[in-house]
Amino acid sequence: DAKTTQPPSMDCAEGRAANLPCNHSTISGNEYVYWYRQIHSQGPQYIIHGLKNNETNEMASLIITEDRKSSTLILPHATLRDTAVYYCIVRGGGGATNKLIFGTGTLLAVQP
Amino acid sequence: GAGVSQSPSNKVTEKGKDVELRCDPISGHTALYWYRQSLGQGLEFLIYFQGNSAPDKSGLPSDRFSAERTGGSVSTLTIQRTQQEDSAVYLCASSLSRLAGGPETQYFGPGTRLLVL
Repeated sequence: DAKTTQPPSMDCAEGRAANLPCNHSTISGNEYVYWYRQIHSQGPQYIIHGLKNNETNEMASLIITEDRKSSTLILPHATLRDTAVYYCIVRGGGGATNKLIFGTGTLLAVQP
Repeated sequence: GAGVSQSPSNKVTEKGKDVELRCDPISGHTALYWYRQSLGQGLEFLIYFQGNSAPDKSGLPSDRFSAERTGGSVSTLTIQRTQQEDSAVYLCASSLSRLAGGPETQYFGPGTRLLVL
């Protein structure tokens, strides 16, 4: 599975958009980009995933560059409850390793 | 609907004792994973079950660790002769079996916090 690089921490003002970047320059054609987050003392929570196209759901939007070497998770209106560690994970489709490999992630601190 | 549940939520044990941790996956999910997370660290894969296939045990750190999944549903992670370095949060995740080449989303439980004294 491709390795990902994320900034260790970011701040965001409450109510503003939080844009979390992720580099995955060695991603291969059948690998998906997943985002999870982990709020303190809780299990990881799935947010969104994508392959090539941009994706949006009720939690966030995922923007993947055309060359697929990087992506950005967007929380459109961050709240204090969005303070968490956000993990970007790249993982293959069918037949590839099933386990998720979590890096160190980005600690997003939403400020009041 | 109900998510992944784990029990107990917290467990304190003495060094050398055996412990059993339980995971109830989301109903209908055929894949089940165990991970552990030591304090301030990332998640470490332990074991993976998929339907009736032989489990992937490649992440188990020693032969003191074992896991079962009975009836394709509930799973138990057993740690024998616990050591202080086993202290961690043990997380369970489940997912639907994915189509070839397709994505797979894992849903995590709240974890069991194990403290070995």
